[in-house]
Amino acid sequence: DTGVSQDPRHKITKRGQNVTFRCDPISEHNRLYWYRQTLGQGPEFLTYFQNEAQLEKSRLLSDRFSAERPKGSFSTLEIQRTEQGDSAMYLCASSFRQGVVNEQFFGPGTRLTVL
Amino acid sequence: AQSVTQLDSHVSVSEGTPVLLRCNYSSSYSPSLFWYVQHPNKGLQLLLKYTSAATLVKGINGFEAEFKKSETSFHLTKPSAHMSDAAEYFCVVSDPNNAGNMLTFGGGTRLMVKP
Repeated sequence: DTGVSQDPRHKITKRGQNVTFRCDPISEHNRLYWYRQTLGQGPEFLTYFQNEAQLEKSRLLSDRFSAERPKGSFSTLEIQRTEQGDSAMYLCASSFRQGVVNEQFFGPGTRLTVL
Repeated sequence: AQSVTQLDSHVSVSEGTPVLLRCNYSSSYSPSLFWYVQHPNKGLQLLLKYTSAATLVKGINGFEAEFKKSETSFHLTKPSAHMSDAAEYFCVVSDPNNAGNMLTFGGGTRLMVKP
């Protein structure tokens, strides 16, 4: 399968713990995005990378969140000192910018539950 | 700023009848518009996209959408619903002039198909 993959698919943690998610984009894609989707809502943009550079961060990305894409391939999203409000589906998407059309391909998501 | 409003949070149709999912957008430029579908426990899948070419856009699985600038609408239609169409649908806008091309999602419409 050459699509976007995410690991783990589900994560249950206790409040105050740190968690890390991984995203592997489609191999030739130079852009990688993170979105968060809470129950009953549409996904909201968190941050994106072009190659290894993190170029934009949403105001939703508090200082407890950090994302990396060290070699311009896979990316990790870490949440420190998790709170119950962090419970959500975390989606990763990748794209290869061609012209002005930015079709993003999404992974299956990581569902985080904070108890 | 850009935004998307999906006018119905839930739509219920009978199998074999037409589908109409309504979407209005707000944008100060000529946007790119998309419809994505999300089946339970599966990733978001692109149905179709509008990128300032033809205003009537055909997508996968018999779906199509018409871009109407005067009405700032991008409604999704399908002539005949199938049971497998039951899913969550998202109308999405992107600013092609924004370097990051982040996607802004509507709140989603849950389509239910009755036998």
